[in-house]
Amino acid sequence: NAGVTQTPKFQVLKTGQSMTLQCAQDMNHNSMYWYRQDPGMGLRLIYYSASEGTTDKGEVPNGYNVSRLNKREFSLRLESAAPSQTSVYFCASSEAKTGWQPQHFGDGTRLSIL
Amino acid sequence: RKEVEQDPGPFNVPEGATVAFNCTYSNSASQSFFWYRQDCRKEPKLLMSVYSSGNEDGRFTAQLNRASQYISLLIRDSKLSDSATYLCAVRGSNYQLIWGAGTKLIIKP
Repeated sequence: NAGVTQTPKFQVLKTGQSMTLQCAQDMNHNSMYWYRQDPGMGLRLIYYSASEGTTDKGEVPNGYNVSRLNKREFSLRLESAAPSQTSVYFCASSEAKTGWQPQHFGDGTRLSIL
Repeated sequence: RKEVEQDPGPFNVPEGATVAFNCTYSNSASQSFFWYRQDCRKEPKLLMSVYSSGNEDGRFTAQLNRASQYISLLIRDSKLSDSATYLCAVRGSNYQLIWGAGTKLIIKP
């Protein structure tokens, strides 16, 4: 009954370091999403994958890259971390991209960039 | 103006009371709407979808007002466990969900 699983749960990086956030879902969903959540702001979409083999930019893609490895897995990479990327990152999935279906979230990765 | 706006609160409400809050959206073509609940330092969890005719799930009632472009969430007989931040999400023109920043609700004994 895992749903959406994110790793790691916490990470501290130094400016300029790189890292990859992992996300996997076991609900056979077609669409997957990466969001960031900052205090006082709504969830902001970084990238999404409407289906296996496709990825698209969201509202705040700069400084990030993604890979839809297969139907289950969608990773987010920070190539050169900056303090402005300190945030809580959520991965989500839904049956389809149309927006009719709700999204289901992982429990987040808390990332601090020093 | 933000695409989706919520009163950040906090709403401080005594246990057992009824509380309601709204979420306004700017895109009149939006077709699907959701309420999520987010506990402190946790992920958002779907509370309910919002249908055109309104819908109810136990103590929770969601309604859509297309003319005034807002959705509402009403919680009756509030419990201490209802304390959380309530996020609304609205489908945008590119089919993605646009999120409000959330309304914080504190239920006091």
